Amino acid sequence: AQSVTQPDIHITVSEGASLELRCNYSYGATPYLFWYVQSPGQGLQLLLKYFSGDTLVQGIKGFEAEFKRSQSSFNLRKPSVHWSDAAEYFCAVGSYSGNTPLVFGKGTRLSVIA
Amino acid sequence: ETGVTQSPTHLIKTRGQQVTLRCSSQSGHNTVSWYQQALGQGPQFIFQYYREEENGRGNFPPRFSGLQFPNYSSELNVNALELDDSALYLCASSFSAHAEAFFGQGTRLTVV
Repeated sequence: AQSVTQPDIHITVSEGASLELRCNYSYGATPYLFWYVQSPGQGLQLLLKYFSGDTLVQGIKGFEAEFKRSQSSFNLRKPSVHWSDAAEYFCAVGSYSGNTPLVFGKGTRLSVIA
Repeated sequence: ETGVTQSPTHLIKTRGQQVTLRCSSQSGHNTVSWYQQALGQGPQFIFQYYREEENGRGNFPPRFSGLQFPNYSSELNVNALELDDSALYLCASSFSAHAEAFFGQGTRLTVV
């Protein structure tokens, strides 16, 4: 069965520092991979997605993620974090086949300190 | 172009009652998926509707049911509410069953 693991429950970074959020997936078919961000009490906003092609994908708000098939990973990065980036981040995996829905990780909460 | 809208934003129900949540999909989208997000967890797939037909279902009991209307808006109905049904319910729409999903702001349901 497909699954997504986000090993870090909570990460705290200083404003201006770099950020990497980890995501590992288990999926039998070719995965479609997503990163979503959720502010408190809000819905999910798509940051970026990987369907095929270049394994380094650029998203909104200065985020990027790299797909590494050999490591079953899709880590999210940002070179310089802003205070407004504080939120919950979810990695999700899907498939362009059948009725497979998105499977989400449990999320990583990002705190940003001055 | 309007995004995905959900109503109501918050509601409180008593255990045993029934509730209906509503979702208007983004213009041009014919697929709606519903997710339950418990506190501190990632969203869990409830079911998906594609062109008014259920197109997949997660591990939720039959008291969770849904509808999709000809204009592709959707309802999620939950009967015999339990305390554990308290969660944020998210609706997502897409222009096909396999395309990128866009989420609404969610409905926060509290069962007391």
